[in-house]
Amino acid sequence: DTEVTQTPKHLVMGMTNKKSLKCEQHMGHRAMYWYKQKAKKPPELMFVYSYEKLSINESVPSRFSPECPNSSLLNLHLHALQPEDSALYLCASSQDGRGLYGELFFGEGSRLTVL
Amino acid sequence: DAKTTQPPSMDCAEGRAANLPCNHSTISGNEYVYWYRQIHSQGPQYIIHGLKNNETNEMASLIITEDRKSSTLILPHATLRDTAVYYCIAFTGNQFYFGTGTSLTVIP
Repeated sequence: DTEVTQTPKHLVMGMTNKKSLKCEQHMGHRAMYWYKQKAKKPPELMFVYSYEKLSINESVPSRFSPECPNSSLLNLHLHALQPEDSALYLCASSQDGRGLYGELFFGEGSRLTVL
Repeated sequence: DAKTTQPPSMDCAEGRAANLPCNHSTISGNEYVYWYRQIHSQGPQYIIHGLKNNETNEMASLIITEDRKSSTLILPHATLRDTAVYYCIAFTGNQFYFGTGTSLTVIP
């Protein structure tokens, strides 16, 4: 199984809603990532988890809250988002969180629309 | 992390080789060069990576100059399915930062 699975594929939410994006991998990878991608722009790194610990937070607003319950799962909790947060949210994983194996496996993304 | 620069767009005739350049003049000795591509509305896909030597796999070849200041990704026989945005990344540690990429259009 070489897949990273993201759910839901599409999400529409209001600015007062609380929702979550989920990501799962069963490749035994120990690093997991969240990226945000706006239309016609490259992916922007948001968070990195290495061995289930948050190792990088790229100054992301607190309305985005990541969680790594175990080595296979990564969540992104969303609360009080703004319309400009509408984007494609990509999850990725890599074998080793210490940078020894750099290949990232990406999911297909969750397309978020904030009304 | 070293910054990479790529041309914003390129065209290539179907069946011909596509040569995508990348400049990474500030790359350090332990930074790998990675290439990914992203087909419209899909997640990025790993293509190939290298440090010093040229590399080849079933998808592409990577040519890195001796001074490591630039590299070229070669798709030997481009097909319509190779139309995508191609990203060149200088990687160290666990932080992948994507540059602006090259939008490759393969023309029938």
